Amino acid sequence: DVKVTQSSRYLVKRTGEKVFLECVQDMDHENMFWYRQDPGLGLRLIYFSYDVKMKEKGDIPEGYSVSREKKERFSLILESASTNQTSMYLCASSLPQGFSEAFFGQGTRLTVV
Amino acid sequence: GQQLNQSPQSMFIQEGEDVSMNCTSSSIFNTWLWYKQDPGEGPVLLIALYKAGELTSNGRLTAQFGITRKDSFLNISASIPSDVGIYFCAGRTNTGNQFYFGTGTSLTVIP
Repeated sequence: DVKVTQSSRYLVKRTGEKVFLECVQDMDHENMFWYRQDPGLGLRLIYFSYDVKMKEKGDIPEGYSVSREKKERFSLILESASTNQTSMYLCASSLPQGFSEAFFGQGTRLTVV
Repeated sequence: GQQLNQSPQSMFIQEGEDVSMNCTSSSIFNTWLWYKQDPGEGPVLLIALYKAGELTSNGRLTAQFGITRKDSFLNISASIPSDVGIYFCAGRTNTGNQFYFGTGTSLTVIP
């Protein structure tokens, strides 16, 4: 059974804190993605990575950074959390270009107070 | 990034009714995917389509890859209460790494 696991289901952080969201996949996928999901705005791509140590900005990278030191792990970092980063964060992985699917983790509901 | 046009936005149906939703794109895709998301959970893959005109079933769910390669359709037959959730389409081109997502269809099934 394919698996993408996000380290936390729920997080509450204070404004200004540095926040780490971790994602691990066991499918040996090259591609990994971080999205945020807000009501009425759908899924928006923050960053994706197509190989270890490689990353590309998505549609809304401001205020975020990422790290991919190992193929199976992709971390999203909020350098200084703000209340407008309160959201549902979803990690996904896939094979590279071509005919393949994206598999999602269970999501992390982050609240910044 | 591109967002796909998905309709309807929401549906309220009686248990036992059939459901249809669709997704359109301005780009040609070589992969169409359909997901279901339960409240507070991540999306779960329902059906994957890889060929124009392809019709694929998963239980009571049937999805089609449009022949123009710019659209896809999902049908749910004989809906039941556990079908409640948000259904998303997603597409991918032959050369790109990214997936593009629809805005979602929220389904409510009234027992």
